[in-house]
Amino acid sequence: NAGVTQTPKFQVLKTGQSMTLQCAQDMNHNSMYWYRQDPGMGLRLIYYSASEGTTDKGEVPNGYNVSRLNKREFSLRLESAAPSQTSVYFCASSVIAGGLREQFFGPGTRLTVL
Amino acid sequence: AQSVTQLGSHVSVSEGALVLLRCNYSSSVPPYLFWYVQYPNQGLQLLLKYTSAATLVKGINGFEAEFKKSETSFHLTKPSAHMSDAAEYFCAVSGSGGGADGLTFGKGTHLIIQP
Repeated sequence: NAGVTQTPKFQVLKTGQSMTLQCAQDMNHNSMYWYRQDPGMGLRLIYYSASEGTTDKGEVPNGYNVSRLNKREFSLRLESAAPSQTSVYFCASSVIAGGLREQFFGPGTRLTVL
Repeated sequence: AQSVTQLGSHVSVSEGALVLLRCNYSSSVPPYLFWYVQYPNQGLQLLLKYTSAATLVKGINGFEAEFKKSETSFHLTKPSAHMSDAAEYFCAVSGSGGGADGLTFGKGTHLIIQP
């Protein structure tokens, strides 16, 4: 049981390049999330997927697109990377346990845009 | 709408001293509250969660937090700090325990342990 996995762990892009961050979970969770973490800002929600086939915008969706490929996988795409997107990206999945939705986080992807 | 305020971006305590990390929340519905810990270059790990079953919540690694509705607070404490507690700590709120719409995080408190 690997939990939530993310690839790649590190990535350097040039401004204008595109890339897709991959996330997969093996816990059979319905809901998945993408957050970004910036120094002094905490984590901010980019997009989430409440269930397979649905996606919704979070607090900071501009410049990103997502795909819920199936129940296991939720990818985040940067079509034209900008230096402002330099950040650490975390994927999470969630399950309701004891009446409360609990989130489980992946190890993160550290992205630098030059 | 909900929000979280963590007072103090950095907190420094001596090894063996009391740890107190402050968190205040704002929520239009009964909140579900969490504390997460992040060690350097790692993901987030759940320390504890408040579900309304009890106002004093015990978590892992000797941490606990007390929910005070009148003060809209959920401060994290540990009686005796250990060097291994040095990390970033995040308080988070969910407006609905069953909702799938993500967590709202505070900006984090970096805990420094002095030998």
